[in-house]
Amino acid sequence: ELKVEQNPLFLSMQEGKNYTIYCNYSTTSDRLYWYRQDPGKSLESLFVLLSNGAVKQEGRLMASLDTKARLSTLHITAAVHDLSATYFCAVDPLNEKLTFGTGTRLTIIP
Amino acid sequence: DVKVTQSSRYLVKRTGEKVFLECVQDMDHENMFWYRQDPGLGLRLIYFSYDVKMKEKGDIPEGYSVSREKKERFSLILESASTNQTSMYLCASSFPGTREKLFFGSGTQLSVL
Repeated sequence: ELKVEQNPLFLSMQEGKNYTIYCNYSTTSDRLYWYRQDPGKSLESLFVLLSNGAVKQEGRLMASLDTKARLSTLHITAAVHDLSATYFCAVDPLNEKLTFGTGTRLTIIP
Repeated sequence: DVKVTQSSRYLVKRTGEKVFLECVQDMDHENMFWYRQDPGLGLRLIYFSYDVKMKEKGDIPEGYSVSREKKERFSLILESASTNQTSMYLCASSFPGTREKLFFGSGTQLSVL
Protein backbone atom coordinates (compact mmCIF):
# COMPACT_ATOMS: atom_id res chain seq x y z
CA GLU A 1 0.00 0.00 0.00
CA LEU A 2 1.35 3.39 -1.01
CA LYS A 3 1.98 5.75 1.90
CA VAL A 4 2.68 9.44 1.52
CA GLU A 5 3.96 11.29 4.55
CA GLN A 6 4.40 15.01 4.94
CA ASN A 7 6.20 16.86 7.64
CA PRO A 8 5.70 18.98 9.45
CA LEU A 9 1.93 18.78 9.80
CA PHE A 10 1.76 22.30 11.18
CA LEU A 11 4.17 25.13 10.59
CA SER A 12 4.13 28.67 11.91
CA MET A 13 6.78 30.92 10.54
CA GLN A 14 7.55 34.58 10.54
CA GLU A 15 7.37 36.69 7.46
CA GLY A 16 10.68 36.90 5.66
CA LYS A 17 11.95 33.52 6.84
CA ASN A 18 12.75 30.45 4.74
CA TYR A 19 11.44 26.97 5.35
CA THR A 20 11.00 23.57 3.71
CA ILE A 21 8.11 21.11 3.70
CA TYR A 22 9.02 17.47 3.11
CA CYS A 23 7.05 14.76 1.32
CA ASN A 24 8.17 11.13 1.54
CA TYR A 25 6.48 8.28 -0.27
CA SER A 26 6.81 4.53 -0.03
CA THR A 27 6.72 3.18 -3.58
CA THR A 28 8.20 3.88 -6.96
CA SER A 29 6.75 6.86 -8.75
CA ASP A 30 8.13 9.25 -11.33
CA ARG A 31 5.50 11.90 -10.85
CA LEU A 32 4.60 14.06 -7.92
CA TYR A 33 2.13 16.89 -7.47
CA TRP A 34 1.87 19.80 -5.07
CA TYR A 35 -1.47 21.43 -4.29
CA ARG A 36 -2.50 24.39 -2.21
CA GLN A 37 -5.75 24.71 -0.29
CA ASP A 38 -6.96 27.98 1.24
CA PRO A 39 -9.35 27.77 4.21
CA GLY A 40 -12.84 26.81 3.06
CA LYS A 41 -11.71 26.44 -0.52
CA SER A 42 -10.83 23.59 -2.83
CA LEU A 43 -7.42 22.39 -3.98
CA GLU A 44 -5.43 24.33 -6.53
CA SER A 45 -2.58 22.75 -8.47
CA LEU A 46 0.84 24.32 -7.85
CA PHE A 47 3.40 22.04 -9.46
CA VAL A 48 3.67 18.79 -11.38
CA LEU A 49 7.13 17.23 -11.10
CA LEU A 50 7.70 14.79 -13.91
CA SER A 51 11.06 13.14 -13.38
CA ASN A 52 13.98 12.60 -11.08
CA GLY A 53 15.80 15.85 -10.39
CA ALA A 54 12.89 17.99 -11.56
CA VAL A 55 12.77 21.46 -10.05
CA LYS A 56 10.00 23.99 -10.54
CA GLN A 57 9.67 27.48 -9.16
CA GLU A 58 6.92 30.01 -9.00
CA GLY A 59 7.35 33.15 -7.00
CA ARG A 60 8.52 32.30 -3.49
CA LEU A 61 7.81 28.58 -3.87
CA MET A 62 10.22 26.01 -5.28
CA ALA A 63 9.52 22.28 -5.53
CA SER A 64 11.98 19.48 -6.26
CA LEU A 65 11.81 15.72 -6.72
CA ASP A 66 14.30 12.98 -5.92
CA THR A 67 12.76 9.71 -7.10
CA LYS A 68 15.65 7.62 -5.81
CA ALA A 69 15.16 8.91 -2.29
CA ARG A 70 11.36 8.99 -2.79
CA LEU A 71 11.38 12.53 -1.51
CA SER A 72 9.98 15.83 -2.66
CA THR A 73 10.51 19.20 -1.03
CA LEU A 74 8.56 22.44 -1.19
CA HIS A 75 10.81 25.35 -0.26
CA ILE A 76 9.41 28.69 0.80
CA THR A 77 11.67 31.71 0.43
CA ALA A 78 11.12 34.93 2.39
CA ALA A 79 7.60 33.99 3.39
CA VAL A 80 4.75 36.46 3.05
CA HIS A 81 1.32 36.34 4.65
CA ASP A 82 -0.57 35.34 1.52
CA LEU A 83 1.30 32.03 1.44
CA SER A 84 -0.67 30.92 4.51
CA ALA A 85 -2.57 27.81 3.39
CA THR A 86 -2.50 24.03 3.61
CA TYR A 87 -0.12 22.36 1.19
CA PHE A 88 -0.56 18.79 -0.03
CA CYS A 89 1.75 16.58 -1.98
CA ALA A 90 0.31 13.70 -4.01
CA VAL A 91 1.93 10.74 -5.75
CA ASP A 92 0.78 8.93 -8.88
CA PRO A 93 2.08 5.33 -8.86
CA LEU A 94 1.51 4.90 -12.60
CA ASN A 95 -2.21 4.15 -12.35
CA GLU A 96 -3.69 7.67 -12.60
CA LYS A 97 -4.95 7.52 -9.03
CA LEU A 98 -3.34 10.11 -6.82
CA THR A 99 -2.50 9.28 -3.23
CA PHE A 100 -2.29 12.39 -1.07
CA GLY A 101 -0.21 13.24 1.94
CA THR A 102 -1.80 14.43 5.15
CA GLY A 103 -1.12 18.08 4.37
CA THR A 104 0.98 20.80 6.00
CA ARG A 105 -0.89 23.73 7.46
CA LEU A 106 1.31 26.76 7.03
CA THR A 107 0.68 29.95 8.96
CA ILE A 108 2.78 33.02 8.25
CA ILE A 109 3.01 35.40 11.18
CA PRO A 110 3.63 39.11 10.54
CA ASP B 1 -11.00 27.13 -17.64
CA VAL B 2 -11.97 23.70 -16.41
CA LYS B 3 -14.96 23.80 -14.16
CA VAL B 4 -15.89 21.08 -11.72
CA THR B 5 -19.13 21.88 -9.97
CA GLN B 6 -20.45 20.23 -6.85
CA SER B 7 -24.13 20.82 -6.32
CA SER B 8 -24.08 21.64 -2.61
CA ARG B 9 -21.54 23.50 -0.51
CA TYR B 10 -23.06 22.42 2.81
CA LEU B 11 -25.41 19.54 3.63
CA VAL B 12 -26.90 18.41 6.92
CA LYS B 13 -28.48 14.97 7.01
CA ARG B 14 -29.76 12.58 9.63
CA THR B 15 -28.38 9.14 10.40
CA GLY B 16 -29.90 6.52 8.12
CA GLU B 17 -30.84 8.91 5.32
CA LYS B 18 -29.83 8.21 1.74
CA VAL B 19 -27.56 11.00 0.53
CA PHE B 20 -26.65 11.98 -3.01
CA LEU B 21 -23.64 14.17 -3.76
CA GLU B 22 -23.52 15.41 -7.33
CA CYS B 23 -20.53 16.48 -9.40
CA VAL B 24 -20.49 17.85 -12.95
CA GLN B 25 -17.48 18.76 -15.08
CA ASP B 26 -17.51 20.70 -18.32
CA MET B 27 -14.20 19.70 -19.92
CA ASP B 28 -15.10 16.32 -21.39
CA HIS B 29 -12.78 14.52 -18.95
CA GLU B 30 -13.02 10.75 -18.90
CA ASN B 31 -11.60 10.37 -15.38
CA MET B 32 -13.61 11.42 -12.36
CA PHE B 33 -12.87 10.88 -8.68
CA TRP B 34 -14.46 11.22 -5.27
CA TYR B 35 -12.25 11.96 -2.25
CA ARG B 36 -13.07 12.68 1.34
CA GLN B 37 -10.94 15.05 3.38
CA ASP B 38 -10.57 14.74 7.15
CA PRO B 39 -8.24 16.67 9.47
CA GLY B 40 -4.95 14.86 9.95
CA LEU B 41 -5.76 12.27 7.29
CA GLY B 42 -5.43 14.28 4.10
CA LEU B 43 -7.51 13.22 1.11
CA ARG B 44 -8.57 9.61 0.73
CA LEU B 45 -9.94 8.14 -2.48
CA ILE B 46 -13.44 6.68 -2.23
CA TYR B 47 -14.29 5.76 -5.82
CA PHE B 48 -13.19 6.67 -9.29
CA SER B 49 -14.42 6.22 -12.81
CA TYR B 50 -12.52 6.00 -16.09
CA ASP B 51 -15.59 6.14 -18.31
CA VAL B 52 -19.37 6.15 -18.41
CA LYS B 53 -20.95 3.31 -16.44
CA MET B 54 -17.53 2.27 -15.25
CA LYS B 55 -16.40 2.50 -11.64
CA GLU B 56 -13.64 1.23 -9.44
CA LYS B 57 -13.22 1.20 -5.70
CA GLY B 58 -10.67 3.45 -4.13
CA ASP B 59 -9.08 3.07 -0.73
CA ILE B 60 -12.19 3.58 1.44
CA PRO B 61 -15.32 2.51 -0.51
CA GLU B 62 -17.23 0.99 2.40
CA GLY B 63 -20.58 2.66 2.94
CA TYR B 64 -20.50 4.42 -0.42
CA SER B 65 -21.57 3.73 -3.99
CA VAL B 66 -21.32 5.77 -7.17
CA SER B 67 -23.15 6.32 -10.42
CA ARG B 68 -21.87 7.56 -13.76
CA GLU B 69 -24.65 7.53 -16.35
CA LYS B 70 -23.25 10.44 -18.34
CA LYS B 71 -19.67 11.41 -19.00
CA GLU B 72 -19.92 14.78 -17.32
CA ARG B 73 -21.67 13.66 -14.14
CA PHE B 74 -20.38 11.52 -11.30
CA SER B 75 -22.57 10.96 -8.25
CA LEU B 76 -21.56 9.71 -4.83
CA ILE B 77 -24.24 7.90 -2.85
CA LEU B 78 -24.36 7.22 0.85
CA GLU B 79 -26.95 4.46 1.10
CA SER B 80 -27.52 4.93 4.84
CA ALA B 81 -25.61 7.87 6.22
CA SER B 82 -23.73 7.46 9.47
CA THR B 83 -22.06 9.98 11.75
CA ASN B 84 -18.59 8.76 10.76
CA GLN B 85 -19.33 9.91 7.24
CA THR B 86 -19.35 13.53 8.38
CA SER B 87 -16.59 15.00 6.25
CA MET B 88 -15.60 17.28 3.39
CA TYR B 89 -16.21 15.54 0.05
CA LEU B 90 -14.20 16.61 -2.98
CA CYS B 91 -14.88 15.69 -6.57
CA ALA B 92 -12.14 15.85 -9.20
CA SER B 93 -11.65 15.14 -12.87
CA SER B 94 -8.80 14.70 -15.35
CA PHE B 95 -7.95 13.57 -18.85
CA PRO B 96 -6.98 9.91 -19.10
CA GLY B 97 -3.63 8.61 -20.13
CA THR B 98 -1.81 11.87 -19.64
CA ARG B 99 -1.34 11.59 -15.88
CA GLU B 100 -1.96 15.28 -15.68
CA LYS B 101 -3.14 17.13 -12.63
CA LEU B 102 -6.58 16.75 -11.15
CA PHE B 103 -9.09 19.58 -11.28
CA PHE B 104 -11.10 19.82 -8.09
CA GLY B 105 -14.57 21.05 -7.27
CA SER B 106 -15.17 23.39 -4.37
CA GLY B 107 -16.22 20.60 -2.02
CA THR B 108 -19.31 19.60 -0.07
CA GLN B 109 -19.17 19.75 3.70
CA LEU B 110 -21.52 16.99 4.87
CA SER B 111 -22.68 16.77 8.46
CA VAL B 112 -24.55 13.64 9.55
CA LEU B 113 -26.41 14.09 12.81
